[in-house]
Amino acid sequence: AQKVTQAQTEISVVEKEDVTLDCVYETRDTTYYLFWYKQPPSGELVFLIRRNSFDEQNEISGRYSWNFQKSTSSFNFTITASQVVDSAVYFCALSEGGATNKLIFGTGTLLAVQP
Amino acid sequence: EAQVTQNPRYLITVTGKKLTVTCSQNMNHEYMSWYRQDPGLGLRQIYYSMNVEVTDKGDVPEGYKVSRKEKRNFPLILESPSPNQTSLYFCASSPKSLDRLISGNTIYFGEGSWLTVV
Repeated sequence: AQKVTQAQTEISVVEKEDVTLDCVYETRDTTYYLFWYKQPPSGELVFLIRRNSFDEQNEISGRYSWNFQKSTSSFNFTITASQVVDSAVYFCALSEGGATNKLIFGTGTLLAVQP
Repeated sequence: EAQVTQNPRYLITVTGKKLTVTCSQNMNHEYMSWYRQDPGLGLRQIYYSMNVEVTDKGDVPEGYKVSRKEKRNFPLILESPSPNQTSLYFCASSPKSLDRLISGNTIYFGEGSWLTVV
């Protein structure tokens, strides 16, 4: 069965600190897709990244970076030099694609960035 | 602009009063689905649709109905709402298969509908 675990329920950092959000997944499929979404206090889900299982390259987008390691079934997300605007709940999600595109979400990590 | 639009965004209703949450997408996507978000549980799929007139249950379908009469619309129906359906609801839309997505394409979500049943 597919499962996504975000063990960190809440993280609090001070502005300009680096922070890493952990995501561990379980799946039996060899082809799958991993996502990160940001949910600010206003409630909408903001897409951050999609990663295919066959592409293990790490990715950097501005202050955001993602470390995908199939060997440990992890897809961790790092924010460098955090800012107050980064305060949000972050969700990691897994999809095996196929016919349904169903997303399996982790329980989310609440990140609070203090000024 | 790619959009998934949900209405209403906020609703307080009473137990047993039928309600419909509408969802519309402008990307000609085949696949649409509904999720609910509850504290400590993340998001869970309620129903999904692979195309017009094709719908199926997700993980938590009890108490909900859906229909897909047009490709762009996928309403969520609560025939007799109960307090345990108080939640934040999201509609999602994507192309038929993630396998065919071009780089950067993804599963799109609406802005969410906050529903309270008293």
